[in-house]
This record gives sequence, structure tokens and C-alpha cells, in this order.
Amino acid sequence: DAKTTQPTSMDCAEGRAANLPCNHSTISGNEYVYWYRQIHSQGPQYIIHGLKNNETNEMASLIITEDRKSSTLILPHATLRDTAVYYCIVRVARSGGSNYKLTFGKGTLLTVNP
Amino acid sequence: NAGVTQTPKFRILKIGQSMTLQCAQDMNHNYMYWYRQDPGMGLKLIYYSVGAGITDKGEVPNGYNVSRSTTEDFPLRLELAAPSQTSVYFCASSYPRGGKSETQYFGPGTRLLVL
Repeated sequence: DAKTTQPTSMDCAEGRAANLPCNHSTISGNEYVYWYRQIHSQGPQYIIHGLKNNETNEMASLIITEDRKSSTLILPHATLRDTAVYYCIVRVARSGGSNYKLTFGKGTLLTVNP
Repeated sequence: NAGVTQTPKFRILKIGQSMTLQCAQDMNHNYMYWYRQDPGMGLKLIYYSVGAGITDKGEVPNGYNVSRSTTEDFPLRLELAAPSQTSVYFCASSYPRGGKSETQYFGPGTRLLVL
């Protein structure tokens, strides 16, 4: 799986959009970009994923650059409950391969301030 | 659906004791995983299973054993607890989508302290 680079920490004001960047310059054509988050002391929570098109769901939007070498997770209206570590993970689609695990790096600690 | 459930939430073990961490899912997922997370670190895969009766080692399997007799349950066994096994253990499950992306769903975790 391609390596990802994320800032160690970010701050955001409550009610504002939080934009979390991720670099994955070695991504391959069949690799997806996943975002998970982990609120303190809880299990990781899936947020969103995409291959090359921008994606949106009830939690967030994912913007992937045209060359797919970077992406941005957008939380449109951050709340205090969004304070968490956010992980960007690049992972090959399962095509009979053996790479089943999710490789979690250190992620970005997003702190939403009142 | 309850999703992925884990018991116990917290346990203290003495060195050399054994215990089983329980994990169950009610989403009819074929794939299940055990991860451990040490303080300030990312998750590391211990064991995984692609279906009942099939298990395989992950990155850090030493000191652990697993079994998968049913689709729903995937217990993790520690035979001789060591201080190095002090960690938070997460179970996860997913449904294989034949070459397409898939999402793993995680349980709330079990905190284990070995003294």
C-alpha cells in the first residue's frame, strides 16, 4: 500500500469547515483512499473513501486531486465531537490478494475549539 | 444491529495468566480482524479470518491464538500474559466485495493491563 503523509495536528473553530490534507504521491491506479477517525478511547470509525472521483456522504466530503497524489477530507461544519485523530489510508482493492489489513499511521489530531 | 461487540471492556491480568477476548458481529461479515494499539501508536494486525474455519497471522501474532468456529464470533486467546501485551485490543469485521473497496467496522475495544 502507498505511504501517506499527514500533518501531526490541526485546529479548527467550531462551526467552521475543517480541511484535513493527505499526501499519497506513490498511490497506484487500483488503490483507494480511505479516511477513518478515532475519538479518544474509542474504536476507529469509517468516514469515507474514494478512488478518483470526489465523494460526499452525511459525515464528510473527500476531494481527490486529478493526479490522485493528494486528497482533502472536509468536515463542513465541525463540532466539538469531531475532535479526534483522523487517519488517511491508501489501500488496494481486494482482488484475491493477501493484503487484508488497514495500515494506520499516526494520523492528524484535529482539535475543534469552541 | 449491534455491529461489532467486544467483551470485556477492561481487564487486569497477572504475568503468566491466560484469558480470552471475545468479539462478535451481527452483520453477517465474512472477514474479521484483531488489532492491537499501543499508547500513541497506530493499530497493528494480530490475526485475521476470511471465514469460519479459516484464520491467518497478521503482523504481530506471537503470544496469541484465534479460532473461528462461526461467522459471528472471533475470540482472541492469550495463553501466557506478558507485560508487553498491555495494550488496547480492537476487533473489526468487513464484507468482501469481490475486488471492490470494502470498509472495516470496529468494536469499542478491550483495554488489557498485564502486571
